[in-house]
Amino acid sequence: AQSVTQLGSHVSVSEGALVLLRCNYSSSVPPYLFWYVQYPNQGLQLLLKYTSAATLVKGINGFEAEFKKSETSFHLTKPSAHMSDAAEYFCAVSDGNDMRFGAGTRLTVKP
Amino acid sequence: EAGVTQFPSHSVIEKGQTVTLRCDPISGHDNLYWYRRVMGKEIKFLLHFVKESKQDESGMPNNRFLAERTGGTYSTLKVQPAELEDSGVYFCASSQLGFEQPQHFGDGTRLSIL
Repeated sequence: AQSVTQLGSHVSVSEGALVLLRCNYSSSVPPYLFWYVQYPNQGLQLLLKYTSAATLVKGINGFEAEFKKSETSFHLTKPSAHMSDAAEYFCAVSDGNDMRFGAGTRLTVKP
Repeated sequence: EAGVTQFPSHSVIEKGQTVTLRCDPISGHDNLYWYRRVMGKEIKFLLHFVKESKQDESGMPNNRFLAERTGGTYSTLKVQPAELEDSGVYFCASSQLGFEQPQHFGDGTRLSIL
């Protein structure tokens, strides 16, 4: 069975500050890992994915995530937050069959 | 290409009534998934179709929920009779076959049971 834990249901940063959203996973097989973002009243959009190639994955809107097998982590970062980054972010793990999501982290960006 | 579309976007019904949600996946996507999110909790998997076949329906809450995907194109999710705890946002997603393929999500149907 696979699962995802996102540490922190709410994260608040100032505009221009570093964004760090934490995700730890559990999987019995080498996982595929994803980050999705959801803006209000919209569906989830793919930010980036890890599929066993490079451990540092770059996504859209300046986000990136690093796969660390020893820590079973896949944290999402962005060097400088923008107001438009305010949204809810979901980490997800797939074992090749089905995908399981974390509870989400709501990011607030203060001016 | 057109994205995943879901209908209706909102539905408000009374307890005991029946509601049918529809999902049109991206053309050519054989995988189709249904998820539900209740009141800010995690997105929970309901079921997975590969073409018209149910690959995994382990997440379906009970037999009041019935999903179909006739012809392997659009899918419907019927709730009959609806209960208060069925309220939430129901998401549909589709993807191409392949382990690493990301899922593309619709905007969801917000279901409120009164």
